[in-house]
Amino acid sequence: EVQLVESGGGLVQPGGSLRLSCAASGFTFSSYEMHWVRQAPGEGLEWVSYISTSGSAIYYADSVKGRFTISRDNAKNSLYLQMYSLRAEDTAVYYCATEILTGYCFDSWGQGTLVTVSS
Amino acid sequence: QSALTQPASVSGSPGQSITISCTGTSSDVGRYNYVSWYQQHPGKAPKVMIYDVNNRPSGVSNRFSGSKSGNTASLTISGLQAEDEADYYCTSYRSTSTSSYVFGSGTKVTVL
Repeated sequence: EVQLVESGGGLVQPGGSLRLSCAASGFTFSSYEMHWVRQAPGEGLEWVSYISTSGSAIYYADSVKGRFTISRDNAKNSLYLQMYSLRAEDTAVYYCATEILTGYCFDSWGQGTLVTVSS
Repeated sequence: QSALTQPASVSGSPGQSITISCTGTSSDVGRYNYVSWYQQHPGKAPKVMIYDVNNRPSGVSNRFSGSKSGNTASLTISGLQAEDEADYYCTSYRSTSTSSYVFGSGTKVTVL
């Protein structure tokens, strides 16, 4: 069974940093592309970032470009999101998701981790 | 990155059919057959219901179907059931100066 478990969320002050992790199990992590998707409280879903299987291709939403860094460690079956210069508008539940079923589709999701940016 | 446009809410009675539209541009919905639909119940992670415009993952009821015409994709739920009450989001691959994905604004489905 595919499992994605996010961790690392919490309360951080504006301008601060935080590193999210996503532990994957139940599938061959190194063979599948990964994404981060977020959802602000009471709002819709927003795609944040993508990383290819080897990490050679990486893309970001304009809203986080230059502030967030996605990475993966295939030996540890883990995905990461390093977040810098956090703003109030970054407050959201952050989900990791993968494309196992087919490309261009978020077919497996974690339960999410809440990031709150507030003073 | 502008969101895809969805109606804020759609409602129907049990047994009826409803359709949710998702309007994008020629850079996303109109260019690629990479439209997917997600169901999200309160406090839960999203679940994929349709991928590649009109394909259903194993385990998803055949009451859910997808289609696309031009820059607009649609999700139809037939034989509406109480358990279908949830938020629904479309998403599409988008390629402009870089690759990205864009979600719809979301539609709240209410079963009357």
